[in-house]
Amino acid sequence: AQKITQTQPGMFVQEKEAVTLDCTYDTSDPSYGLFWYKQPSSGEMIFLIYQGSYDQQNATEGRYSLNFQKARKSANLVISASQLGDSAMYFCAMRENTGGFKTIFGAGTRLFVKA
Amino acid sequence: ETGVTQTPRHLVMGMTNKKSLKCEQHLGHNAMYWYKQSAKKPLELMFVYNFKEQTENNSVPSRFSPECPNSSHLFLHLHTLQPEDSALYLCASSQELAGGRRKETQYFGPGTRLLVL
Repeated sequence: AQKITQTQPGMFVQEKEAVTLDCTYDTSDPSYGLFWYKQPSSGEMIFLIYQGSYDQQNATEGRYSLNFQKARKSANLVISASQLGDSAMYFCAMRENTGGFKTIFGAGTRLFVKA
Repeated sequence: ETGVTQTPRHLVMGMTNKKSLKCEQHLGHNAMYWYKQSAKKPLELMFVYNFKEQTENNSVPSRFSPECPNSSHLFLHLHTLQPEDSALYLCASSQELAGGRRKETQYFGPGTRLLVL
């Protein structure tokens, strides 16, 4: 069964520093996609970055990068040069390509950026 | 026009009321989703529509009734809800590729915060 684990309920980071948010997953499907979303207090889920299981290189989108370690089944999000506006909940999610339309989400990590 | 819109943004209803949540996507996507986000619980998929056809119903109680009249609009009709149904209800859409190939990213609306008294 597919499963997403985010072990950090909350994280603090100093403004302008980098931070890593952990995500591990479990699946028996060789083909899957991994996603990170940001949810500010307003509630909207904002797509940040995507990594496919067959992608050779780690995904990057601006200040966001995904540290994909397939053998360890981890997909950590790295945010470089943190900004105050990065304070939010961050969710890791996975979708198996043979699992229909179902995407499962982790419990989330709340990130606090300190000035 | 933003990609996925939801109305109302906030809703308070009694257990005997009937109300509807509306979602509209302006991205030309062919799949739409309803999710429930309760406090201290992961996001839960409720329903999926692909090309207006319901493809998933994730064991959702019958007091929640979805409707998808076309690929741009999705409704969630609510009746005789319980206080434990209070949550943030999120709509999402995606462009699904034919033939079961790699699935695409879901884009979310701002959500409707529902309080059932």
